Amino acid sequence: DAGVIQSPRHEVTEMGQEVTLRCKPISGHDYLFWYRQTMMRGLELLIYFNNNVPIDDSGMPEDRFSAKMPNASFSTLKIQPSEPRDSAVYFCASSLKGPRDIQYFGAGTRLSVL
Amino acid sequence: AQTVTQSQPEMSVQEAETVTLSCTYDTSESDYYLFWYKQPPSRQMILVIRQEAYKQQNATENRFSVNFQKAAKSFSLKISDSQLGDAAMYFCAYRRSQGGSEKLVFGKGTKLTVNP
Repeated sequence: DAGVIQSPRHEVTEMGQEVTLRCKPISGHDYLFWYRQTMMRGLELLIYFNNNVPIDDSGMPEDRFSAKMPNASFSTLKIQPSEPRDSAVYFCASSLKGPRDIQYFGAGTRLSVL
Repeated sequence: AQTVTQSQPEMSVQEAETVTLSCTYDTSESDYYLFWYKQPPSRQMILVIRQEAYKQQNATENRFSVNFQKAAKSFSLKISDSQLGDAAMYFCAYRRSQGGSEKLVFGKGTKLTVNP
């Protein structure tokens, strides 16, 4: 398996623009997670899905952020409108069912909002 | 809420030597999982080692081992025979075993430098 695939690898945009980050989880995995990594706050969970259904979105910073998982092989994280404070590395991870199972991470998307 | 603390922002070690990275956590749960992830400059998060809280035996993976002290809520990572490729950020993480929350709670990380 190719692992968790995220695109784009880097994204540079201007304040106010819409940004869409994409993730393809490992085939057969039940859970999908979106994390954000910043120097100030470290790695923090934004939202996660189980069988395509959002379970916990308490980490989503505000209404400008939205995430969808239309099917088992694809998820998006959208920011609209983007702001400079959204600049961060965004990771997608997936795992099988159960807390014992390992979360496998994608390579991340580095977002820069100018 | 669970918290994870890594008190060493940076550590360095000579190649072939041993280094220990510290991690403490706070939880009221009795059953949970602990992890160490490695993040090299490539940014990829890679699992190094995993420990189940109900197991008394410390986990080991080749040159990597942990010292799990449940009562003290301590989970340190020991890297033996350090190699240049071990240079990376290391993150300690906690995950509940029950209750439906599957998320990982991460510490702020320790940057490890390996000197030749």
